[in-house]
Amino acid sequence: AQSVTQLGSHVSVSEGALVLLRCNYSSSVPPYLFWYVQYPNQGLQLLLKYTSAATLVKGINGFEAEFKKSETSFHLTKPSAHMSDAAEYFCAVSVFTGGGNKLTFGTGTQLKVEL
Amino acid sequence: DSGVTQTPKHLITATGQRVTLRCSPRSGDLSVYWYQQSLDQGLQFLIQYYNGEERAKGNILERFSAQQFPDLHSELNLSSLELGDSALYFCASSHESRRPRGGNEQFFGPGTRLTVL
Repeated sequence: AQSVTQLGSHVSVSEGALVLLRCNYSSSVPPYLFWYVQYPNQGLQLLLKYTSAATLVKGINGFEAEFKKSETSFHLTKPSAHMSDAAEYFCAVSVFTGGGNKLTFGTGTQLKVEL
Repeated sequence: DSGVTQTPKHLITATGQRVTLRCSPRSGDLSVYWYQQSLDQGLQFLIQYYNGEERAKGNILERFSAQQFPDLHSELNLSSLELGDSALYFCASSHESRRPRGGNEQFFGPGTRLTVL
């Protein structure tokens, strides 16, 4: 079964520092991978997605993620954190179940940005 | 704003009751998904509809049911509610073709927060 694992339920960085949120996937077929962000009391917003076109994927708000098959990873990065980046981030894999799609989410990483 | 709307935003009810959550997908999207987000279970897929037909089922309890109407809006019905059903319920929509494949991004609504007392 396809799944994703997010390492670190809480990550704290200083404003201006590099953001690195880790996601590893398990899949027997080439996966479709996504990163979503959830701000307090809001729904999930798509940051970026990987669909095998390019291994380095650029998303919104300066985020990007690199697909590494050898490491089964899809880590999310941002060169310089901003206070507004504080939110919960979810990695997800799209599982095509013969007629339907579903997203299987990781457990989430809460990002805290400090002055 | 994702273009997906959900009503109501908040719902407070008692154990044993029945509630209906409503979702309107983005214009042009034929697929609707329902997810449950709770502290102990995280984000879990419940069910997917495509153009009125059920397409995929996840960890949806027998007490829960859903449907998608001809105008493409969807409703999630939760009955015989228990304390453990308290959660955020999200609806998402995506644009999929008649022959589906993986990889279509899903756009999420703001959610309905259900509190069962």
